[in-house]
Amino acid sequence: GDSVTQMEGPVTLSEEAFLTINCTYTATGYPSLFWYVQYPGEGLQLLLKATKADDKGSNKGFEATYRKETTSFHLEKGSVQVSDSAVYFCALVGSGNTGKLIFGQGTTLQVKP
Amino acid sequence: DTEVTQTPKHLVMGMTNKKSLKCEQHMGHRAMYWYKQKAKKPPELMFVYSYEKLSINESVPSRFSPECPNSSLLNLHLHALQPEDSALYLCASSERQTTPYEQYFGPGTRLTVT
Repeated sequence: GDSVTQMEGPVTLSEEAFLTINCTYTATGYPSLFWYVQYPGEGLQLLLKATKADDKGSNKGFEATYRKETTSFHLEKGSVQVSDSAVYFCALVGSGNTGKLIFGQGTTLQVKP
Repeated sequence: DTEVTQTPKHLVMGMTNKKSLKCEQHMGHRAMYWYKQKAKKPPELMFVYSYEKLSINESVPSRFSPECPNSSLLNLHLHALQPEDSALYLCASSERQTTPYEQYFGPGTRLTVT
């Protein structure tokens, strides 16, 4: 079945450091790919998405490119802030009609001043 | 506006109680979802409604009973829960059930079963 694998955390960075969170997936067909962020005590917020190969999703300085050849969707940000501290989930929806989001295990990011 | 609202924010209930969680969206979305999230884990899908009809039930125990009275509202009725049902319950909605429509989540209801 479909699955998502994320790099294990926690990831601890200093403010203004470069961020990469790795995400790879297994799916049949052409899934849509998402990054969600969850701040402490809150629900999930959609951060960005990509629906076909070579699409680049971007939002709030975060970027991720849909790489079909490597089945990856790595999240990057050039300069993190303390306010970016949160849990980040990579997810996919398969090409069937279930609408079921398949999540990775989540990566906790802590940014220190 | 991409807002999904959920009430209550917190709920404490005994194992013999009956309670309900409520979710609302006014984005005209025709698919709505219930997820359960345990601490330090990703959300797990429970139910999907599409055009007010139950589309997916992920083998959820019958002590959880979903209801979709109209296209904007989704309820989750709870009865005779167990302590292991304590979790964050998240509601989400999307324009349609099919890909590539993204899901928007509410803030969740944190449920504690005593």
